[in-house]
Amino acid sequence: DTGVSQDPRHKITKRGQNVTFRCDPISEHNRLYWYRQTLGQGPEFLTYFQNEAQLEKSRLLSDRFSAERPKGSFSTLEIQRTEQGDSAMYLCASFRAGMDTEAFFGQGTRLTVV
Amino acid sequence: SQQGEEDPQALSIQEGENATMNCSYKTSINNLQWYRQNSGRGLVHLILIRSNEREKHSGRLRVTLDTSKKSSSLLITASRAADTASYFCATERTGANSKLTFGKGITLSVRP
Repeated sequence: DTGVSQDPRHKITKRGQNVTFRCDPISEHNRLYWYRQTLGQGPEFLTYFQNEAQLEKSRLLSDRFSAERPKGSFSTLEIQRTEQGDSAMYLCASFRAGMDTEAFFGQGTRLTVV
Repeated sequence: SQQGEEDPQALSIQEGENATMNCSYKTSINNLQWYRQNSGRGLVHLILIRSNEREKHSGRLRVTLDTSKKSSSLLITASRAADTASYFCATERTGANSKLTFGKGITLSVRP
């Protein structure tokens, strides 16, 4: 257990529905990342936060994706109008402040869009 | 886009043998990190090497970094069946607020 928790662990949804995932990072970590991973691939960067500020969002991310980190604590990732291509593992990672720090990953949320 | 590219894509060895995995990247970096992922699980950090370091050890792990060639290698000595997993290199580019970017990974199988 890395101390980063994600909820739910699995989500099956019908195409066109909205889904929301939650990540609770390690409490003293100020950086939080979201990644997406498909089978046989490495984690693909989606977005990241430093405290409550969203510093970067991948250009690959459509407007259907939005993330928040209110008060710099937990974060949510919402996907609107899901498509089958959104099926993937969504990973959250948190980092301590400062240079050269490692990522602590949650177990991920596996999304299946049917 | 993915910054690092690992080589080989898959590696199968006998228990007790050493496993060497390579990673190449494209831009200047602050550090390079190696992670491990067991099937269907989250990633676990293994080792971090800073851009001004050339070699680092942690238990059975040895990582090297050659910034002139923009490459790194991860050596696992005396492999065990439990080392079977996917291994990813990740780089943090130079500059403030730089994100951590992963390669596609190497699948390591260690036969008992």
